[in-house]
Amino acid sequence: GIQVEQSPPDLILQEGANSTLRCNFSDSVNNLQWFHQNPWGQLINLFYIPSGTKQNGRLSATTVATERYSLLYISSSQTTDSGVYFCAALKYGNKLVFGAGTILRVKS
Amino acid sequence: DGGITQSPKYLFRKEGQNVTLSCEQNLNHDAMYWYRQDPGQGLRLIYYSQIVNDFQKGDIAEGYSVSREKKESFPLTVTSAQKNPTAFYLCASSWLGGNQPQHFGDGTRLSIL
Repeated sequence: GIQVEQSPPDLILQEGANSTLRCNFSDSVNNLQWFHQNPWGQLINLFYIPSGTKQNGRLSATTVATERYSLLYISSSQTTDSGVYFCAALKYGNKLVFGAGTILRVKS
Repeated sequence: DGGITQSPKYLFRKEGQNVTLSCEQNLNHDAMYWYRQDPGQGLRLIYYSQIVNDFQKGDIAEGYSVSREKKESFPLTVTSAQKNPTAFYLCASSWLGGNQPQHFGDGTRLSIL
């Protein structure tokens, strides 16, 4: 099945800094999603982005399907951005495969 | 508001006991899913269902059972055969088709007494 790898595993930022999170996947995909899991465990949909670029406020994401990677950009980070960011990919069927996540800590 | 409701938020299981986690959605989605998350790890698929009265095993179905009697409901039973049930359980739903985004409930934390 498809493999999903995320980097870096951990990231510490000062408030106001920018960051880039990476997701590599081993095969072509029909579905790629980015999620933010907050300290209470809630999994929040950030982007559905099997290809192309999308932006939502301070967050943006780019997926280059031909090169099998996706990037999540966080600009002007805030303490509320802290948590775990997951990338998940699906080639066919319904089995969304999750990466291990990137733990982000934003310090004030 | 439309969404996915999981209950309870916290659940404790005694040895040898079966427990059932509830998942209800009012998004009119066809497909529903159950995932398990262990500390410091990503989510793994337990079961999924694309239509009422039909469901398929995911990657870690042993020790779990599900039913799909109504489109909006997909309860998960953690049986006594699941030897390590302590985890965070998340339910999701989506429209049919692999190219549809999945939306998640707030989860249930299950612990062993």
